[in-house]
Amino acid sequence: GAVVSQHPSWVICKSGTSVKIECRSLDFQATTMFWYRQFPKQSLMLMATSNEGSKATYEQGVEKDKFLINHASLTLSTLTVTSAHPEDSSFYICSARKGQVNQPQHFGDGTRLSIL
Amino acid sequence: AQSVTQLDSQVPVFEEAPVELRCNYSSSVSVYLFWYVQYPNQGLQLLLKYLSGSTLVKGINGFEAEFNKSQTSFHLRKPSVHISDTAEYFCAVTTTQGGSEKLVFGKGTKLTVNP
Repeated sequence: GAVVSQHPSWVICKSGTSVKIECRSLDFQATTMFWYRQFPKQSLMLMATSNEGSKATYEQGVEKDKFLINHASLTLSTLTVTSAHPEDSSFYICSARKGQVNQPQHFGDGTRLSIL
Repeated sequence: AQSVTQLDSQVPVFEEAPVELRCNYSSSVSVYLFWYVQYPNQGLQLLLKYLSGSTLVKGINGFEAEFNKSQTSFHLRKPSVHISDTAEYFCAVTTTQGGSEKLVFGKGTKLTVNP
């Protein structure tokens, strides 16, 4: 149980386009979903936390107008990278948690984003 | 603020040897501790978690970890590793203090199992 699906797994696009990444909890309802960014050979950096039906809480230094997060239901959250540029190229990972903070987060397989 | 220190960035071992990956955390309040494994180009998979109770926690793939409050440590161990255990391992901690729900990760330890 506790499967999280992330799509697409890899995307290449031109500078200036917008890219949407989906994160779905397949077999449970996620009260909270998280979006992380991971640079090569580094740990995960939390970008934002979202609860279903409310606005996402962004970490300091993360541009909310650049990284749009929508948490439309208890099983789906989307991250849209708007007007992407090469510096936005990275590995983006979502996670979902059922219940309270003492419960583990379950991670998707990540999306490799390459902006040309 | 919480912090997690993984003392070794890389740990090379031979197949069937025991391994210990070290993790220390800084929080002085009640914590919840996790170990995750990441294979290349994949997300993170939960290995084990400590919430409360017994300080020795058993996880998947033969891994276990021991919570030591006095030493603020949560080291990960496996008595005999396989080639397939080669991966990046992350220790993480979260607390409920101040309503914080952040999962703070260590920088990771790259485990390489050699034949």
